[in-house]
Formats: sequence, C-alpha cells, structure tokens
Amino acid sequence: QKEVEQNSGPLSVPEGAIASLNCTYSDRVSQSFFWYRQYSGKSPELIMSIYSNGDKEDGRFTAQLNKASQYVSLLIRDSQPSDSATYLCAVFVDSNYQLIWGAGTKLIIKP
Amino acid sequence: GAGVSQSPSNKVTEKGKDVELRCDPISGHTALYWYRQSLGQGLEFLIYFQGNSAPDKSGLPSDRFSAERTGGSVSTLTIQRTQQEDSAVYLCASSLSSLSYEQYFGPGTRLTVT
Repeated sequence: QKEVEQNSGPLSVPEGAIASLNCTYSDRVSQSFFWYRQYSGKSPELIMSIYSNGDKEDGRFTAQLNKASQYVSLLIRDSQPSDSATYLCAVFVDSNYQLIWGAGTKLIIKP
Repeated sequence: GAGVSQSPSNKVTEKGKDVELRCDPISGHTALYWYRQSLGQGLEFLIYFQGNSAPDKSGLPSDRFSAERTGGSVSTLTIQRTQQEDSAVYLCASSLSSLSYEQYFGPGTRLTVT
C-alpha cells in the first residue's frame, strides 16, 4: 500500500516567520510531487510541483525534495495570516496514473 | 481561461433518492478525476477517466456509485439510493492528460443526505 504521511498539526507559526511543512512517502519510484493549499470550505489549489532533487522556489514558497530519503517539504517565508490553511502533499504513482494524498497539515499563522 | 466547474454547488436530498453530480473540466484536459472529502478528512479517490474510458474504478465505495463521461468532456457522478454516509463534498479535478500530473480542482458539490 503506497502511503503519504504528513503531520496533521495544527502547526502554529508567528507572522513573518518561516513555516516548514513536511511529507514522507513510501513509493520509491515516484518522480512527481505536489503541494496543494486548501482553505476551509474551499477546494484544493495547486501551489507547487517538484520533480527533481533539490530546491524549487516560487515567490515566498520553496519546495524541497530528497528522493533518497523519500521526503518532500514546503517552506513558506515571511508567513502571512492569509497562509493559514491546510496543506496537502500529493505524490504521483506512475503505475496507476494517480495521485496519492496525504491527510494534510493545518497551518495557523498568528498575527 | 475557465477552470473546472461543478454543479450543483450544494445538494440536499432525502435518504433513498438518486442524485447526479456534474463536472465540466478545463477545455482540452483529457483526464478527469472524482474525489470525495468528508468533513475534516482527507481526499478519497473515487474514479478517473482518460478520455471517455475509466481505467480505474477501484475507488467507488459501492455499486450505488457510477460515473460516466461523454464526448471526452463533461462527466456525471451518479449516486443511487443515497445514504447518510454519502454526505460529503464531491470534488472533480482535471489534468492535461493522465501523464500530466498536475490536477486542477473544481469548487466541489456539497451533498447532504437527510
């Protein structure tokens, strides 16, 4: 059974600080990884995708991937109250063309 | 361009009734996915389509659930003889193809079975 694990939180971070969200996955052959943000009562929104080891930066967001450790993370710099949401990690499984989803980490940014 | 659209946005139905939920994917997207999300829970995969065919129906919870897609575009998820445990938000997502991994979600249909 392929799995994606996330700490459910809530993770509380002061405004302006760096929020660090972590995700581990079990499928060693996965090549594609995604972070989605879901506000309460809304649908998931794709914010980052990463396919290669290392860091990928997009504005205040940085995704980090370490395939050897089967670990992907999302850093949010200069956290804002508007970043308060649940962050979902998803891993693409080539064998059945599906995303396997983590349960999400609830992030709270304190003003 | 227009994103994924779903209708209705909310549906309240009585136990035992049938419901149809509709998804209109992003134009040109050939892959379409249905998920279910119960309150406070993660995403539960139901079914996906590549074109009009559904290679994987393994996520459908029971034979009361069925889905179809016609013309490689609009999809309908049908739940027969609804039960209270069917109450959830039903989300549809589309991607450029089944080999294009980025999925884009519609706003969802909130189903309440009374």
